[in-house]
Amino acid sequence: AQSVTQLGSHVSVSEGALVLLRCNYSSSVPPYLFWYVQYPNQGLQLLLKYTTGATLVKGINGFEAEFKKSETSFHLTKPSAHMSDAAEYFCAVSFMNRDDKIIFGKGTRLHILP
Amino acid sequence: SQTIHQWPATLVQPVGSPLSLECTVEGTSNPNLYWYRQAAGRGLQLLFYSVGIGQISSEVPQNLSASRPQDRQFILSSKKLLLSDSGFYLCAWTPGGKSYEQYFGPGTRLTVT
Repeated sequence: AQSVTQLGSHVSVSEGALVLLRCNYSSSVPPYLFWYVQYPNQGLQLLLKYTTGATLVKGINGFEAEFKKSETSFHLTKPSAHMSDAAEYFCAVSFMNRDDKIIFGKGTRLHILP
Repeated sequence: SQTIHQWPATLVQPVGSPLSLECTVEGTSNPNLYWYRQAAGRGLQLLFYSVGIGQISSEVPQNLSASRPQDRQFILSSKKLLLSDSGFYLCAWTPGGKSYEQYFGPGTRLTVT
């Protein structure tokens, strides 16, 4: 069965420090991978996605993620955290099927310390 | 460009009252549509999805129902709300084909009192 695991429900980093949010998935078929961000009382916004091709994917707001098939991981990084990055982040995985359902991780809340 | 709308933005309803939340998508045709719920401090729970008009699949048995009367309209309903129905309701769509990412609406905050 396919699943997504996000390590750490809360992560705190200092402003200007590296952001690393971890995501691992399990799948028997090639996955499509996504990261979403959610600010309080708003919908989810797509940060970046991996479908095929280059395994290092760049997204909005300076975030990037690398698909590592051997590690079944898709960790999200940003070199320098900004106060505006404080939000909840969801990793998600999808597969080629007609209903296009996405499996979401449980989310990681990112706190930025001044 | 495509946009997704949800209304109302916030709603306070007493236990036992009916519910109707609406979601519409503009700028696309034949989207797949989804209803999710976020309870306080919890992740996303898929409630219903639809691949076409009148086609509804339920993921979780409960007192909620969904309908898709038009191609780009998705409605979430209940005849009698429970306290446990409180949460943040999100509608999402995907264009299907080779695009698998979902795009989310702004959400509806429902408080059942």
